[in-house]
Amino acid sequence: DVKVTQSSRYLVKRTGEKVFLECVQDMDHENMFWYRQDPGLGLRLIYFSYDVKMKEKGDIPEGYSVSREKKERFSLILESASTNQTSMYLCASRPQVFDSPLHFGNGTRLTVT
Amino acid sequence: AQKVTQAQTEISVVEKEDVTLDCVYETRDTTYYLFWYKQPPSGELVFLIRRNSFDEQNEISGRYSWNFQKSTSSFNFTITASQVVDSAVYFCALSEARRDDKIIFGKGTRLHILP
Repeated sequence: DVKVTQSSRYLVKRTGEKVFLECVQDMDHENMFWYRQDPGLGLRLIYFSYDVKMKEKGDIPEGYSVSREKKERFSLILESASTNQTSMYLCASRPQVFDSPLHFGNGTRLTVT
Repeated sequence: AQKVTQAQTEISVVEKEDVTLDCVYETRDTTYYLFWYKQPPSGELVFLIRRNSFDEQNEISGRYSWNFQKSTSSFNFTITASQVVDSAVYFCALSEARRDDKIIFGKGTRLHILP
């Protein structure tokens, strides 16, 4: 079974802090994704990565950056956390095949105070 | 433009009732895949089914069944004899061959199965 692991289940950070959300997958998947989930808005794509050191902006990249130095790890960075970034963050991975389903981690619920 | 619409925001049914979750999609691509995911209270989205645009056969898996109709651009999901464990948020999603990065999700339907 594919395992996608997000380092924290719950995080509480202060406004202005730099926040790192980590995601690791163990199936050598090329593609990795970061989504945020908010009530009534569903899942919105923040960033995705085709492969190591490759990244593309999704629908809502403002205020975020990403890093993919190794194939198994995809980090989401909030350069200066703001209260409107309080949300559930979901990481996902899949092989480089468009018909493959996404494999999700169990999410990180981030609260920015 | 690509779009996935799940018009039902929230549904409540009594255990053992049948329930259908609607999904309507828009795409200009002729080659695409549709997916359903389940998100239980634990939070992790779990893949349920995938259907490609060239295969309109309905599928049944235990109490779950899916009805894909290209004529109405719909991919509906039915749970027969619902159980409390079916309570979750269900997402429909679209993946197009020409934009394999762009997986479009609906906003989800929250399903409550009442004992």
